[in-house]
Amino acid sequence: QVQLVQSGAEVKKPGASVKVSCKVSGDTLSDLSMHWVRQAPGKGLEWMGGFEPEADETIYAPEFQGRVTVTEDTSTDTAFMELSSLRSEDTAVYYCTTETGTTSSDAFDLWGQGTLVTVA
Amino acid sequence: QLVLTQSPSASASLGASVKLTCTLTSRHNSFAIAWHQQKPQKGPRFLMKLYSDGRHKKGDGIPDRFAGSSSGAERYLTISNLQSEDEADYYCQTWGSGIRLFGGGTKLTVL
Repeated sequence: QVQLVQSGAEVKKPGASVKVSCKVSGDTLSDLSMHWVRQAPGKGLEWMGGFEPEADETIYAPEFQGRVTVTEDTSTDTAFMELSSLRSEDTAVYYCTTETGTTSSDAFDLWGQGTLVTVA
Repeated sequence: QLVLTQSPSASASLGASVKLTCTLTSRHNSFAIAWHQQKPQKGPRFLMKLYSDGRHKKGDGIPDRFAGSSSGAERYLTISNLQSEDEADYYCQTWGSGIRLFGGGTKLTVL
């Protein structure tokens, strides 16, 4: 059974950066396309960025371009999302989520448990 | 521009059926979508992938009470025999080269 296990909650000051991790178990990261989604308190789901298999590169939502970096360590099957220049509006739960397969874009079909990032 | 539109709220009685709608922009009416369920204070859960022709592929363990269908640019999630545990937010999601997108979500209340 494939699982995504995320790192724990973080509290950061405005202007700082945060790095959240997501470890894949039951499969290898190389077989998945990993993406990151966030949810501010009381709000909906917002896609941030992830691996685009059709272009074989990492892509980012325009709203986060320049502030977010998604990386992977395939030796440990762990993905990372780093968000810089934090502001209070970045307070949210951050989720990793995967598309099965690495040849074309697809539905998000597995979710991590979420990581609460508080900026204060 | 690709947009997914959902009604903010819906309600139905225990044991009844409810049909939630996700509408794609008309020129994107061939796109597949996914439905995700998010219970209060929990993370999202993948329910199914739904194609424009109505075929759907469910996630592991999703009950038969959950079904998907399509008509033109509209994608539907029908939940039959509503249970109290179905009270949740339901999000549709779509994808394409260079983009991933969510609808605004529908909050389902079971009366």
